[in-house]
Amino acid sequence: GESVGLHLPTLSVQEGDNSIINCAYSNSASDYFIWYKQESGKGPQFIIDIRSNMDKRQGQRVTVLLNKTVKHLSLQIAATQPGDSAVYFCAENLKGNTPLVFGKGTRLSVIA
Amino acid sequence: DARVTQTPRHKVTEMGQEVTMRCQPILGHNTVFWYRQTMMQGLELLAYFRNRAPLDDSGMPKDRFSAEMPDATLATLKIQPSEPRDSAVYFCASGRLGGTEAFFGQGTRLTVV
Repeated sequence: GESVGLHLPTLSVQEGDNSIINCAYSNSASDYFIWYKQESGKGPQFIIDIRSNMDKRQGQRVTVLLNKTVKHLSLQIAATQPGDSAVYFCAENLKGNTPLVFGKGTRLSVIA
Repeated sequence: DARVTQTPRHKVTEMGQEVTMRCQPILGHNTVFWYRQTMMQGLELLAYFRNRAPLDDSGMPKDRFSAEMPDATLATLKIQPSEPRDSAVYFCASGRLGGTEAFFGQGTRLTVV
């Protein structure tokens, strides 16, 4: 497959528990922040985004929190399932349609 | 459903050979990105196009890499000559003007021996 075996921080979570994945970003001028999920052998897949004028956004089982004061982004996954096992990347961009700058990623491992 | 299509999925080649990777963006998307993913560097932007015009290719080694969009349905990334350090997974992504989401293909895993 197309996974690259990155040496990443790993978060191990029991099935059914909540997961929190953290990300520090660098550019205070970034306008959008996005979380991507990459499963083994696949390309990154969009999960949720948040604009810089918001501090929280909720989706289905996922919540993104943005703290601009400390340039910190988090992704919360409720009731984590085995299918959530993947590498999660945060990304930022200055404005719509400009290239995303990706963080290093966190590997989420769900223990059944 | 609409998706970004990349070919080939896997490529093994000998050092010095030319490699061409192809990408079909989602119909209607006017922005195309090429990223490279490695263990050491993670996801790095190589180049991107808007309305088929190259906007930024500063992430590419200019002496051996080239990226083009012959038409709106095809983007290519070429390496000539290839080197072992080019071994990586190369992703193409496309998006709409004004949008924040980039849709990624499945990637091409390149191995240069």
